[in-house]
Amino acid sequence: GAVVSQHPSWVICKSGTSVKIECRSLDFQATTMFWYRQFPKQSLMLMATSNEGSKATYEQGVEKDKFLINHASLTLSTLTVTSAHPEDSSFYICSAGKNTEAFFGQGTRLTVV
Amino acid sequence: QKEVEQNSGPLSVPEGAIASLNCTYSDRVSQSFFWYRQYSGKSPELIMSIYSNGDKEDGRFTAQLNKASQYVSLLIRDSQPSDSATYLCAVKRNSGGYQKVTFGTGTKLQVIP
Repeated sequence: GAVVSQHPSWVICKSGTSVKIECRSLDFQATTMFWYRQFPKQSLMLMATSNEGSKATYEQGVEKDKFLINHASLTLSTLTVTSAHPEDSSFYICSAGKNTEAFFGQGTRLTVV
Repeated sequence: QKEVEQNSGPLSVPEGAIASLNCTYSDRVSQSFFWYRQYSGKSPELIMSIYSNGDKEDGRFTAQLNKASQYVSLLIRDSQPSDSATYLCAVKRNSGGYQKVTFGTGTKLQVIP
């Protein structure tokens, strides 16, 4: 397998503030990382595809100005939830591709109060 | 029609029995197929990947792929209570020049001791 580390594992923030989530591939280089959101008892929903050195590709309905993605290196991608609101509370998961398979980080439980 | 469809379950099987999980996909040009296991509140964990028609076995797990029928399945032999989880089917294909992975909604498996 391959190791993908996501930080933090959980975060509570006040409404209106911004939260940054990091995703690192620890033992391989990932030119592409994916960001997902999962609401309780629902499947993973792809938010955006993060490409190293270029702009992220967002899925339809995902606000790129609200969910800022930066893929600064081959081992690090960050997702910043700006001006968070309670409806942004969810489980955010990143994945990184190695060869033809994708491996997931541990996920970040975001609660906006 | 959903891109990837799974029966949400729950699928209940007695300990020691064979659990059979099914998945259908809509896009014929899909290239790669994956099964992930997700425990409640945790991130998905890759179990199996399969790329060509036929069966692929790994321990107690067997993945089966039939591209003509656009069907992929996962068999779990000698099911254990620890196998109780939600199993996600994922399909990878090219979309707009990049690889896109789409997940089904998952099938909840309950193994009864």
